[in-house]
Amino acid sequence: NAGVTQTPKFRILKIGQSMTLQCTQDMNHNYMYWYRQDPGMGLKLIYYSVGAGITDKGEVPNGYNVSRSTTEDFPLRLELAAPSQTSVYFCASTNLAGLGETQYFGPGTRLLVL
Amino acid sequence: AQSVTQPDIHITVSEGASLELRCNYSYGATPYLFWYVQSPGQGLQLLLKYFSGDTLVQGIKGFEAEFKRSQSSFNLRKPSVHWSDAAEYFCAVGARQGAQKLVFGQGTRLTINP
Repeated sequence: NAGVTQTPKFRILKIGQSMTLQCTQDMNHNYMYWYRQDPGMGLKLIYYSVGAGITDKGEVPNGYNVSRSTTEDFPLRLELAAPSQTSVYFCASTNLAGLGETQYFGPGTRLLVL
Repeated sequence: AQSVTQPDIHITVSEGASLELRCNYSYGATPYLFWYVQSPGQGLQLLLKYFSGDTLVQGIKGFEAEFKRSQSSFNLRKPSVHWSDAAEYFCAVGARQGAQKLVFGQGTRLTINP
């Protein structure tokens, strides 16, 4: 099992460019999440999905879009990159057969917008 | 609104010394409680979690945490730290219903002196 994988590991974007951060999990988890981590701060939820075709906003969704066409994949799209989006992005997944299940995190994507 | 406070941004302890990392939360009801550890350049790994029952929870790597409802606290402890424990530690709370969205504290960076 690879768990949660994220690509790329690191990316530099120019202001106004767009990109997609990829996230894939092979644990057949129904719930997936995107967080961002700014320096010296905890993680903040951007978007989440409770299953294929279902997504919802988290605490800081502005400037981002997501889709969930399959159980395995949950890409995060930045349409017009801004310096405020410089951060480390983490994808996570869990299987809410019950409640309070562990969220498994990917290794992160470090994004620098200049 | 839900919030998590980790009062100590940075803690330094000597190898072999005991450790306590503080976590206080603000929540309308008793949440699920988690401690995650993040090694440099890595994703987050679950150390332990509390759902119900015994308020003293054992985790991996010799860590434990105690839930104190009256103090809205979930402090993390270890009797004797090892150099490999140097990392960032995050406390998080999650709702007992819904999509298990986590709210994280800002983290405590732990440095170990040899």
